[in-house]
Amino acid sequence: AQSVTQLGSHVSVSEGALVLLRCNYSSSVPPYLFWYVQYPNQGLQLLLKYTSAATLVKGINGFEAEFKKSETSFHLTKPSAHMSDAAEYFCAVSGNYGGATNKLIFGTGTLLAVQP
Amino acid sequence: KAGVTQTPRYLIKTRGQQVTLSCSPISGHRSVSWYQQTPGQGLQFLFEYFSETQRNKGNFPGRFSGRQFSNSRSEMNVSTLELGDSALYLCASSRLAGDKETQYFGPGTRLLVL
Repeated sequence: AQSVTQLGSHVSVSEGALVLLRCNYSSSVPPYLFWYVQYPNQGLQLLLKYTSAATLVKGINGFEAEFKKSETSFHLTKPSAHMSDAAEYFCAVSGNYGGATNKLIFGTGTLLAVQP
Repeated sequence: KAGVTQTPRYLIKTRGQQVTLSCSPISGHRSVSWYQQTPGQGLQFLFEYFSETQRNKGNFPGRFSGRQFSNSRSEMNVSTLELGDSALYLCASSRLAGDKETQYFGPGTRLLVL
């Protein structure tokens, strides 16, 4: 069965510092991987997705993620944190159903705090 | 293009009642999925509809049901509400059904069961 593990339920960085949010996946087939962000009292917004076209994926708001098959990882990074990046981030996986379904399996989320 | 809309945004019910939540997908999107978000269980898949057919269902009791209309709008219904049903219910739409498809989420309906 597919799953994703997000290491660190809370991450705190200083404004301007590197953001690194960790995601490891488990999948018996090549996965499709997604990062979503959720601001308070809002739904989920897609940051980026990996669908095997390129291992380094660039997303919105300066975020990017690198797919590393050997490490089964898809960590999210941003070179310089901004106060507006404070939110909860979710890693998700799909792709184990022969392409016939949209079902996403989510990680438990990482709450990012940005200190001034 | 308008995003995914969900109504109502907030709802308070009492145990034993039933509730219906509505989701209007992005124009042109034919697939709608529903997720439940709680602090304890996180984000869990409820079900998915494409062209009025349920394509997949998560591990939830039969009290949770849904449907999709010919205009792709979807509703989910929870009967005999329990306290544990208190959650944020998120709807997502995508153009087609498929594991590479990007799902666009609505703002959610926050349900409180007293």
